Amino acid sequence: GAGVSQTPSNKVTEKGKYVELRCDPISGHTALYWYRQSLGQGPEFLIYFQGTGAADDSGLPNDRFFAVRPEGSVSTLKIQRTERGDSAVYLCASSLTGAQGTGELFFGEGSRLTVL
Amino acid sequence: AQKITQTQPGMFVQEKEAVTLDCTYDTSDPSYGLFWYKQPSSGEMIFLIYQGSYDQQNATEGRYSLNFQKARKSANLVISASQLGDSAMYFCAMREFGARFGAGTRLTVKP
Repeated sequence: GAGVSQTPSNKVTEKGKYVELRCDPISGHTALYWYRQSLGQGPEFLIYFQGTGAADDSGLPNDRFFAVRPEGSVSTLKIQRTERGDSAVYLCASSLTGAQGTGELFFGEGSRLTVL
Repeated sequence: AQKITQTQPGMFVQEKEAVTLDCTYDTSDPSYGLFWYKQPSSGEMIFLIYQGSYDQQNATEGRYSLNFQKARKSANLVISASQLGDSAMYFCAMREFGARFGAGTRLTVKP
């Protein structure tokens, strides 16, 4: 696709439920990033993939959060036993190169998660 | 661990004037990249400018320039000739591995 695609754009769920958020990066981009953004705050880093592997998952808040990128393109962020505090916009970004490369991060429009 | 600090929660500037948004960072890695992004109320993240740690000259992109002071670990964004459409949240970010963002500065341009 032309840009980073995230689905669903909106997700409302009940506390305790399982949620999957999908990110389809720009074709050919090897680096993929997940962020969580609450209203009025900066994007909070969650995880960074280089290819299929998670190069840095130090931002995942706890073991309820997990992300995969099995074929080095599409990524899924999985949240188990959702809590009201998980409500936020989840942003995905991709870039042509990772690490210190000059490639800018291209962002998707985000998935807004609301946990009731 | 990476750390990005933006100390100005909000800034006001008069239309057509210049404004500087502050950003400091902390890293022990000699190789890193610094970015600035704009996020208007619509929520999209718009890339503005990039500075590599080894770049000798400050980056410029149109009305945006990055005042990079490596020894002080600062990467301030300068917006010249402010326009009403510049009103938005501005985020500084640093990339070593995973790119991390600061808390942001809300810029309001007054007519």
